[in-house]
Amino acid sequence: DTGVSQNPRHKITKRGQNVTFRCDPISEHNRLYWYRQTLGQGPEFLTYFQNEAQLEKSRLLSDRFSAERPKGSFSTLEIQRTEQGDSAMYLCASRWDRDFTDTQYFGPGTRLTVL
Amino acid sequence: GESVGLHLPTLSVQEGDNSIINCAYSNSASDYFIWYKQESGKGPQFIIDIRSNMDKRQGQRVTVLLNKTVKHLSLQIAATQPGDSAVYFCAETRGKLIFGQGTELSVKP
Repeated sequence: DTGVSQNPRHKITKRGQNVTFRCDPISEHNRLYWYRQTLGQGPEFLTYFQNEAQLEKSRLLSDRFSAERPKGSFSTLEIQRTEQGDSAMYLCASRWDRDFTDTQYFGPGTRLTVL
Repeated sequence: GESVGLHLPTLSVQEGDNSIINCAYSNSASDYFIWYKQESGKGPQFIIDIRSNMDKRQGQRVTVLLNKTVKHLSLQIAATQPGDSAVYFCAETRGKLIFGQGTELSVKP
């Protein structure tokens, strides 16, 4: 399978715990994006990387959130001291910036439930 | 318009009929638009895209129309099938994707 993969697919945690999600983009894609989606809403942008550089962060990305892409390949998104309001689907997408189109390809998402 | 929160607009069609899903976008400077299909529990799946220098683009069973004057997009699905049942989102790109409110399409057999 050469698509975007995300792990884990589901995560249930207690309030106050830290969680980390992983995204593996399509192999030749140098841009990687994180989005958050709550029930009934479209995905909302959180942050993106060009290779290993984090180029933009949304105001939605509070200081409890941190994302890394250390080698320009896979990325991790960590949420510290989780709150119930963090419950959502976390989606990763990737693209190649020299592609003729701006299309981003999404992974299956990680569904986070904070109890 | 404003988000209606948890209540997605819905469209119910009979199998074999054509579906039209509408979307308004916000930024007149946006130059690239994408329609995504999202099935329950899955990530958004690319359907079709269109650049702002076009007003129509056709794919297999799908057509996207762009009206820049009123900042409106539509997605037409021909001969709708049960497998088309999903939530459909339009998105404009400004580096990142800005998603519009989704529409839940339900296809009755």
